[in-house]
Amino acid sequence: DSGVTQTPKHLITATGQRVTLRCSPRSGDLSVYWYQQSLDQGLQFLIQYYNGEERAKGNILERFSAQQFPDLHSELNLSSLELGDSALYFCASSQGQGISETQYFGPGTRLLVL
Amino acid sequence: EDQVTQSPEALRLQEGESSSLNCSYTVSGLRGLFWYRQDPGKGPEFLFTLYSAGEEKEKERLKATLTKKESFLHITAPKPEDSATYLCAVGGVAAGNKLTFGGGTRVLVKP
Repeated sequence: DSGVTQTPKHLITATGQRVTLRCSPRSGDLSVYWYQQSLDQGLQFLIQYYNGEERAKGNILERFSAQQFPDLHSELNLSSLELGDSALYFCASSQGQGISETQYFGPGTRLLVL
Repeated sequence: EDQVTQSPEALRLQEGESSSLNCSYTVSGLRGLFWYRQDPGKGPEFLFTLYSAGEEKEKERLKATLTKKESFLHITAPKPEDSATYLCAVGGVAAGNKLTFGGGTRVLVKP
């Protein structure tokens, strides 16, 4: 158990809908990262927040957005969902904000768009 | 752009048969190379971080080494519970705070 929690574990929804994924980082960690893992793309970095502020952006679609709240939990919002958005979504956390920091991953949310 | 290539894609081992996984990387200014283990449907589990060429780290049956162009994960006398996908990732100066992951090596250890 990494100490990172994610809810829900599974999510089934329809195309065009909007969903929110939630992540709580390990105690003491200020950075939260979001990743998408699909069979054909591997693990892809989406976005990083540090202490409430966006720090880095990867291949995140405009339909997707995230934020980190004062209590440091983070939410990833996915809207206008398409079949291709079906994937595992992972949250990770680290103490600091630098790339040399070890990231600890949560158990993930499996999203299925029908 | 940072690149990570892992080989082989899949590896079948008999219990006790030692082997090595390769992670070749291209990065501008390596800040860290990370190894993770991932079981099906679960989140990656952190194994090691290596920062500079020549560095080695060990944990139970696993040993990670780093050169300027590649990293190896050596599995000594593996057991069936070592079956998993092993992921390698790099963080470099030019990529900011973005980690780049390789495609992984699926390891199956048969009793």
